[in-house]
Amino acid sequence: AQSVSQHNHHVILSEAASLELGCNYSYGGTVNLFWYVQYPGQHLQLLLKYFSGDPLVKGIKGFEAEFIKSKFSFNLRKPSVQWSDTAEYFCAVRAYTGFQKLVFGTGTRLLVSP
Amino acid sequence: DAGVTQSPTHLIKTRGQQVTLRCSPKSGHDTVSWYQQALGQGPQFIFQYYEEEERQRGNFPDRFSGHQFPNYSSELNVNALLLGDSALYLCASSLSDRGPHNEQFFGPGTRLTVL
Repeated sequence: AQSVSQHNHHVILSEAASLELGCNYSYGGTVNLFWYVQYPGQHLQLLLKYFSGDPLVKGIKGFEAEFIKSKFSFNLRKPSVQWSDTAEYFCAVRAYTGFQKLVFGTGTRLLVSP
Repeated sequence: DAGVTQSPTHLIKTRGQQVTLRCSPKSGHDTVSWYQQALGQGPQFIFQYYEEEERQRGNFPDRFSGHQFPNYSSELNVNALLLGDSALYLCASSLSDRGPHNEQFFGPGTRLTVL
């Protein structure tokens, strides 16, 4: 069975600081990987996804993530955060051969101070 | 084009009662998945419906059941409610294929409080 570990539960940054959120997964087969974001009072929405190909994936709002297969990692990065990036971020994995069940990490709550 | 909608937005029940939550998928989507998000946790997969049948199920007891209707909308039923069932219940819709454009779209959730 798949599992996802997000190392940081709470992160506090100042505007313009760089961001990296860690995500490691456990699964022996091929996976699809996702980062979702939940802004205060809003739905979960997809930031970016990795299915295959270039392991460096670019998403919306300047976010990117790198899939490192040997480390079972899919870390999320942004060079310069803004106050509007304050949200909760979830990493999720889906087994490639399975149906569409997503397995989520526990989430990282990011607070960006102006 | 409406996204995924869920009703009600909030619900308060007492232990032992039964509850029904509803979900309408995004237009054109035929697959509905349900997740439970407890406070401070990530969403946990409950089950998925496609063609009116449960296609995959997570580690939840039989008290959790569901249904999908011919118009692809879905219900989640929870019987014999426990305090631990208090959570945000999320519905996600998607297309049944698993190609590169496949994505689950989430609704706003139903906040269930069990007293």
